Order: sequence, then structure tokens, then C-alpha cells
Amino acid sequence: DAGVIQSPRHEVTEMGQEVTLRCKPISGHDYLFWYRQTMMRGLELLIYFNNNVPIDDSGMPEDRFSAKMPNASFSTLKIQPSEPRDSAVYFCASSLSYQPQHFGDGTRLSIL
Amino acid sequence: AQTVTQSQPEMSVQEAETVTLSCTYDTSENNYYLFWYKQPPSRQMILVIRQEAYKQQNATENRFSVNFQKAAKSFSLKISDSQLGDTAMYFCAFVIIQGAQKLVFGQGTRLTINP
Repeated sequence: DAGVIQSPRHEVTEMGQEVTLRCKPISGHDYLFWYRQTMMRGLELLIYFNNNVPIDDSGMPEDRFSAKMPNASFSTLKIQPSEPRDSAVYFCASSLSYQPQHFGDGTRLSIL
Repeated sequence: AQTVTQSQPEMSVQEAETVTLSCTYDTSENNYYLFWYKQPPSRQMILVIRQEAYKQQNATENRFSVNFQKAAKSFSLKISDSQLGDTAMYFCAFVIIQGAQKLVFGQGTRLTINP
């Protein structure tokens, strides 16, 4: 089975630009999670979905961040406008209820 | 508050040695799952081992085993016959059963296996 697929693997863009990160969860998984990882703050849960519905977005840092899951096989995380402090590795993960989360390879985002 | 503490930011051992990574956690819930994830330099997050809190028997996966002490809220990971490929960040985490699906992560332990 294919794992969680994230794109792009690397993204470098200038401050103020819109950034879109994409995720395809494992087929059949009903939970999808977006994380951000930085040296200073470690792994932070940004938002998670159950059956395509956002359940908890309390980790989303501010209104510049938004996430959608239009169907069971696709999710996006958008940052608009982007800022240098948004530079991090962003992970998507998926799971079945109370089963281990399977992570994608992450997107390394650099905002110049 | 639910927290995970990994008290060893870094560890280093020689190849073939046994190493134990510490993890303590705090929750008032009784039913939960515990996990160890490994993040090698390639940055993938890989599940190493899981433990159901209701099980007394410690989980094992080949060279990896845990020492789960529920009363002490301790969940250490033992790696036997360590290999160079075990070099990675190791994260301890748990999720409450029948609660929010959030994994609570520790800050990680950077493990280096030296040849």
C-alpha cells in the first residue's frame, strides 16, 4: 500500500507569497492530521480532520493558516501571506481510530 | 494537562551496545495507547513500537522492547544490539482512547550509534 503522500517535498518562496501544501492520506484512513516541526517548538499539531470534517483547529497559529479536506483522499494546508517565521517542516499524517498515525515524508518550507 | 517528558536530549552509544531511552508522561485518563516514533536524518516519522495501557505485558518488536510501568507513568524504550541505522531522533507519544485523537509528543531524544 502507498503511504501518506505529501507534495512538494521542498518549497522555497518569498515572504508574502501564498503557499499550498498538499497531502494524500492512506486509503481507508478516516483521520488526517497536519503537524509543524521546528527546532524551537518541536512537533505541533495544527489541525485534524475526521471523515473530512475539521475537528480541532486550535493549533493553527493564526488566520493566515487554513486547511481543507474536500474529499477523503486529499487535503491542503495554505499559508497566506507567508512570513519567515513560518519556515518549518510540515507533516501530514493519517490513521484509523486510535491506531498509530502514519506520517508522510514532510514538506520543508523556507520563507525568505 | 497531558504531557510527555523525555529527559535525555541526546545519547550516544557504540554499535552493538544496548541503550535505553526514558519517557514519562502525565495523564489522568486510564485508557490510552503509547508509542515510540523514530525520525532518522531523512526526516520520515516511523512507528517503532506501540503499547496498549490495559496490557501488562511489555511490547517487543525484534530488537526493540519497552518497559511500561503504568503506576509510575513510565514508558522506556530499549534497543538491543544497536545498529548504525538506529541513529535518529526518538519521540515518545500517547493518545487517549475515546478522547480527542491528538497524539501528545515528547521533545525527543537524539540517539547516535557510533561505529
